[in-house]
Amino acid sequence: GAGVSQSPSNKVTEKGKDVELRCDPISGHTALYWYRQSLGQGLEFLIYFQGNSAPDKSGLPSDRFSAERTGGSVSTLTIQRTQQEDSAVYLCASSPRQGRGNIQYFGAGTRLSVL
Amino acid sequence: QQQVKQSPQSLIVQKGGISIINCAYENTAFDYFPWYQQFPGKGPALLIAIRPDVSEKKEGRFTISFNKSAKQFSLHIMDSQPGDSATYFCAASIRNDYKLSFGAGTTVTVRA
Repeated sequence: GAGVSQSPSNKVTEKGKDVELRCDPISGHTALYWYRQSLGQGLEFLIYFQGNSAPDKSGLPSDRFSAERTGGSVSTLTIQRTQQEDSAVYLCASSPRQGRGNIQYFGAGTRLSVL
Repeated sequence: QQQVKQSPQSLIVQKGGISIINCAYENTAFDYFPWYQQFPGKGPALLIAIRPDVSEKKEGRFTISFNKSAKQFSLHIMDSQPGDSATYFCAASIRNDYKLSFGAGTTVTVRA
């Protein structure tokens, strides 16, 4: 079946602009995660959605970052007033609520470049 | 503060050789330790995982060794092949917790 889909695959923006990154999780997966992958830094947890529960936003680095998940499916990560340090690959992952537990299935990511 | 420390940052191995990547953790509540493999332009994908009730798990050419007392675990890639060239991430979480703490990654290059 289809995997996690992210769009766009690449985004180049100017400093100070707002950007929206989209994630389509695997159908039926109730958990959705956003991570940021910077060069040499591994994966940094940003935010987690599980069903209708309040999201865990503890990883968001500043109030310029926000995310929403509509209808328990598609998620959008928004970065306002982008800064050069926001340049990174933003990865989305989803996992089923039951069965395989912690296994997270990742999309290919959105590479964000802030000029 | 990174909860899982991974080394080396990169390694080069000849085809047929053994690649070894090490990870260490501090949180004794961690009880699930997966390894993810990431190819360029792709997202990470689960490779193999272990729970601390066993000291070793093997799947094909990939083996996880786990040392609970030392709070360390490692990935061994036996008979390394050029197709194994990728970045490998170790991770850890508390059972049934949704958060994975990832290491910084190791880029493995297998030379033919």
